Amino acid sequence: EPEVTQTPSHQVTQMGQEVILRCVPISNHLYFYWYRQILGQKVEFLVSFYNNEISEKSEIFDDQFSVERPDGSNFTLKIRSTKLEDSAMYFCASASGTGDYEQYFGPGTRLTVT
Amino acid sequence: GQNIDQPTEMTATEGAIVQINCTYQTSGFNGLFWYQQHAGEAPTFLSYNVLDGLEEKGRFSSFLSRSKGYSYLLLKELQMKDSASYLCAPQGDTGRRALTFGSGTRLQVQP
Repeated sequence: EPEVTQTPSHQVTQMGQEVILRCVPISNHLYFYWYRQILGQKVEFLVSFYNNEISEKSEIFDDQFSVERPDGSNFTLKIRSTKLEDSAMYFCASASGTGDYEQYFGPGTRLTVT
Repeated sequence: GQNIDQPTEMTATEGAIVQINCTYQTSGFNGLFWYQQHAGEAPTFLSYNVLDGLEEKGRFSSFLSRSKGYSYLLLKELQMKDSASYLCAPQGDTGRRALTFGSGTRLQVQP
């Protein structure tokens, strides 16, 4: 069964450093999302991406964040200058968009900023 | 804005039935998802309601009333592996339909 994959599973970085989180969505899906979940808190929407551009973003997704689909398979989230409060689990999700609105989530990347 | 309300915790016995309620207020609405999340893992899809009424899927059923801003998830024949958080997630009707998750209901199934 096709699935969303994410790398790395765990990333430790120092405050102020740039990080790139990688996702490979399900191959025939057209809609891509990033969510995050701070430990013990709810899952929060960050950004959605369709047709090579951002279609919606939340207040959390400020200028420190960017997304990119550099090739036909990868979907990346970049945080330019990490802060302690960026420590969270980051989930990538994808959806086909053709009548099936279910978003399939990847296993997540745990980001720890020290 | 978005406001989603569901109980924080529930406890039930193996083999029993449990109903997890969710009320929501959203600025735009397309449908409502229920996801299951085990600790430290990603949310996994359980159900999706776009029309009023009950959707049944094996041991899990979900109900939606759009006019009341109300949904519930019904779990039958509870198993120990059903111990998890259950996330109510209304879907907006703008952009590419991002999900707004509630804080989730942590269900503990006891023997």
